[in-house]
Amino acid sequence: AQTVTQSQPEMSVQEAETVTLSCTYDTSESDYYLFWYKQPPSRQMILVIRQEAYKQQNATENRFSVNFQKAAKSFSLKISDSQLGDAAMYFCAYESNFGNEKLTFGTGTRLTIIP
Amino acid sequence: GAVVSQHPSRVICKSGTSVKIECRSLDFQATTMFWYRQFPKKSLMLMATSNEGSKATYEQGVEKDKFLINHASLTLSTLTVTSAHPEDSSFYICSANPYRSPEQYFGPGTRLTVT
Repeated sequence: AQTVTQSQPEMSVQEAETVTLSCTYDTSESDYYLFWYKQPPSRQMILVIRQEAYKQQNATENRFSVNFQKAAKSFSLKISDSQLGDAAMYFCAYESNFGNEKLTFGTGTRLTIIP
Repeated sequence: GAVVSQHPSRVICKSGTSVKIECRSLDFQATTMFWYRQFPKKSLMLMATSNEGSKATYEQGVEKDKFLINHASLTLSTLTVTSAHPEDSSFYICSANPYRSPEQYFGPGTRLTVT
């Protein structure tokens, strides 16, 4: 079974600065997807970014980028120019590419933005 | 983007009664939907995978007779909590994938309180 580990329960960053959230995972599969989801106080889960395991290039979405290290099974999220609206719980998630599309979530990192 | 709705957003019921939560994909069809439960300040715990036209697949430890899932159409899945007890109070979230997309889109969640 796959596992996802987020070792930082809480992080904080000054507004406009950069922060990196860590995620490691364990799998024996070679083809899979990795995601970062954001859950603000409204509790609506929002997809932040997605990475396909077969792609070597790191995904980027505006101020959000990932550092995907497949051999190390590491998938960190970098948020640049942090904004107050980035304050949320961030969940790393794994999805197998073998059909059933179940997501396995990490325990989450609570990100606080300091004005 | 893909939109998933949930109804109701909040419900309060008395112990021993049943409550139904609806999950709808508004602008896409979903052969598979997922039901999660989230405790305060915790991650999402997958309860079951809802399959259109067939029986749901429940995760280990989830009582299928207590949490009834019906996926009668390609846009609607329902979760019925039967004979609810206070310990069933929680935040329930559904999600769905557009066809052939690995990305799951989440409903806004339903807060269930059993008194």
